[in-house]
Formats: sequence, C-alpha cells, structure tokens
Amino acid sequence: QKEVEQNSGPLSVPEGAIASLNCTYSDRVSQSFFWYRQYSGKSPELIMSIYSNGDKEDGRFTAQLNKASQYVSLLIRDSQPSDSATYLCAALNQAGTALIFGKGTTLSVSS
Amino acid sequence: EAGVTQFPSHSVIEKGQTVTLRCDPISGHDNLYWYRRVMGKEIKFLLHFVKESKQDESGMPNNRFLAERTGGTYSTLKVQPAELEDSGVYFCASGGTSRYNEQFFGPGTRLTVL
Repeated sequence: QKEVEQNSGPLSVPEGAIASLNCTYSDRVSQSFFWYRQYSGKSPELIMSIYSNGDKEDGRFTAQLNKASQYVSLLIRDSQPSDSATYLCAALNQAGTALIFGKGTTLSVSS
Repeated sequence: EAGVTQFPSHSVIEKGQTVTLRCDPISGHDNLYWYRRVMGKEIKFLLHFVKESKQDESGMPNNRFLAERTGGTYSTLKVQPAELEDSGVYFCASGGTSRYNEQFFGPGTRLTVL
C-alpha cells in the first residue's frame, strides 16, 4: 500500500514566522508532488507542484523535494492568519494518474 | 474561467436509497477524477476518466458505485443502494493535458447515509 505521511499537527506559528510543513512518501517511483491548501468546508486548492529535486519558490511559498530521502516539504514565509488551514501533501501514483494524499497538517497562524 | 462545480453540496439519504452526484469539470479538461474522504481518513482516489472512457477505476469500493461521463463533459457518480459506510465527502477534480497531471478540485458533495 503506497502511502503519504504527514504530521497531523496542529502546527502553531506566530504571524510573520516561517511555517514548515513536512511529508514523506513510500513509493520511490512517484515523480510528481503537490501541496494543496484546504480551508474548512472548502475544496482543496492547489498551491504548489514540484517534480525535480531541490527547491521551487512561488511568492511566500517554497516547496522542497528530496527523492533520495523520499521527503517533501513546504515552507511558508511571513505567515499570515489567512494561511491558517489544512495543508495536504499528495504524490502522483506510478501510473501518473491518481493522487495519493496524506491526512493533512493543520496550520494555525496567530496574530 | 469557471472552476470545477459539483452538485449537490450536501445530501442526506436513508440506507438503501440511491443518490447521484454530479461533477462539471473545468471547460476543456479531458481528465476527470473522483475522490472520497471518509471522516478521519485521507482523501482517496476512486476513478479516472479521459474524455468519456474510464482509464482507471481501481479505487471504486464495490459494484454499488457507478460512474459515467457521457459525451466526455460532466460526470455522475451513482451509489445504489447506499450503505452507512458510504458517508463522506466526494470530490471531483479535473485536469488538462499537462505532463505533470495537475488536478483541480471541486467543492465536494457531503453525503450522509442514515
């Protein structure tokens, strides 16, 4: 059973701090990884995709991928209260179709 | 550009009844996916359409679930007869032809089976 593991949290950070969210995956064949943000009762919103080892930056968000360690992370700089949500890590399956999700990490940013 | 839409947003039915969920993907997206989140668990894949063809239905739990995508546009997911364990949030996602298979999710249908 291929899995994606995340710490469920909650992760609490003060406004303006860096939030670090981590994820590990079991299937070495996975090539594409995604971070989704989900506010309570809303749809998962795609915020970052990463396919190559290293860092990928988009605004206040940086995704990091280490395929050798099977580890994906998301850094949120200058965290804002509006960043408070559940962050879902997902890996694309071997066939390149279905997403395998972690249970999500709840982030709380206090003002 | 309109996002993925789903109908209804909520459905409450009795065990043994039938429910049909609908998904309208982003216009032009050939790929359509159904996922489900049962309370306390992670979101899990159900099936994948490319246009009107089922490409992968390995996640469908049993033959009480039937998905269709006639004409390659909107899709329906029928549960007949519904059981208590079918309760959860059913998400639809769509994607274009990007090699990275980015998927964009709809708001979900919350199904409660009593």
